[in-house]
Amino acid sequence: DAGVIQSPRHEVTEMGQEVTLRCKPISGHNSLFWYRQTMMRGLELLIYFNNNVPIDDSGMPEDRFSAKMPNASFSTLKIQPSEPRDSAVYFCASSWTVYNEQFFGPGTRLTVL
Amino acid sequence: EDQVTQSPEALRLQEGESSSLNCSYTVSGLRGLFWYRQDPGKGPEFLFTLYSAGEEKEKERLKATLTKKESFLHITAPKPEDSATYLCAVRENYGGATNKLIFGTGTLLAVQP
Repeated sequence: DAGVIQSPRHEVTEMGQEVTLRCKPISGHNSLFWYRQTMMRGLELLIYFNNNVPIDDSGMPEDRFSAKMPNASFSTLKIQPSEPRDSAVYFCASSWTVYNEQFFGPGTRLTVL
Repeated sequence: EDQVTQSPEALRLQEGESSSLNCSYTVSGLRGLFWYRQDPGKGPEFLFTLYSAGEEKEKERLKATLTKKESFLHITAPKPEDSATYLCAVRENYGGATNKLIFGTGTLLAVQP
């Protein structure tokens, strides 16, 4: 079985550009989570969806960040405009329900120059 | 403030030298404690979930235990392939939304042959 799929795996962009990260959760999972990992702050939850509906976006750092889940098999995290401080590894995770263990994707390493 | 603290930050063991990693937490209402393993350049890999004090779970050379204030991950006779960062996370009862995971900063384990 395929796990959580994320693309791209690496993204290098310049400050001010729009960045879109993509995630395909494990088939049948109803909950999807976006995390950001940095050396300074560790792993932080940005937003999560249940049945394609955003439930908690309190971790989204500011209005430059937005996330969508148009269907059960696809989600995007968009940063517009990007800034150097957004450089981090972004993980997508999914779970059967919001109460179950989460399975993580391989991550997208974002570098904003 | 709810938090999760892991210790030590880094641990170096000789192959076969057993030890324990600690995860202490302060949350208003624990709804599960999770252990993950993370290899360099990869997403966290789920290991265990513990729900109540006194609960224990085992997998190969790993054993996780839980008390009311902390959890231990015991590693028995470790092998070099056990080298990784081990992350602890707690799910808090947050305003009725029990699905937010708070991660510790991890313990970097290196097992030398």
